[in-house]
Amino acid sequence: NAGVTQTPKFQVLKTGQSMTLQCAQDMNHEYMSWYRQDPGMGLRLIHYSVGAGITDQGEVPNGYNVSRSTTEDFPLRLLSAAPSQTSVYFCASSPGTGGNTIYFGEGSWLTVV
Amino acid sequence: ELKVEQNPLFLSMQEGKNYTIYCNYSTTSDRLYWYRQDPGKSLESLFVLLSNGAVKQEGRLMASLDTKARLSTLHITAAVHDLSATYFCAVDLYNNNDMRFGAGTRLTVKP
Repeated sequence: NAGVTQTPKFQVLKTGQSMTLQCAQDMNHEYMSWYRQDPGMGLRLIHYSVGAGITDQGEVPNGYNVSRSTTEDFPLRLLSAAPSQTSVYFCASSPGTGGNTIYFGEGSWLTVV
Repeated sequence: ELKVEQNPLFLSMQEGKNYTIYCNYSTTSDRLYWYRQDPGKSLESLFVLLSNGAVKQEGRLMASLDTKARLSTLHITAAVHDLSATYFCAVDLYNNNDMRFGAGTRLTVKP
């Protein structure tokens, strides 16, 4: 059971480039989300999805897009990378929003130069 | 705006000692989560607290939730080196997994 899988693990981008961080889960979880973690801080919610075809904004959505075409996948797109988006990105999933355990991926380290 | 404040932010303790990490939050919520993060690693779920007065224990860690005081505690009993990590609390803002995290408590347990 792979759980929550993120790719790539490390990426360096130039300012203005776009890219997609991939996230897949094999637990048939309805809820998926993306967080960013900056040094010395807790995680901040970027976008989330409560099911296929449904997405919504979190605390810090600007500069990011998401889509949820399948239950398994929840990609995060950086439209025009900025140095302020240098961070560690975590994808997470859970069976629902009823106080279930939330499972996190291993993280994607992104540097924008 | 919701604030989630953890203290202390840094904690160095001797093996065998007890200590408590505090998590205060500024809005009404009855869902609080505790996570552990090792350096360079992902987050591991420790406890999910879903009601006022909830208490959960796993090994040397015990978490509690007082929704009236807007306070959760993570108590460490007889610390061992393996507990060295950063511990985060997170409040479920709208009971929809819209989580707000504290800044984390970096715990170091010394022999």
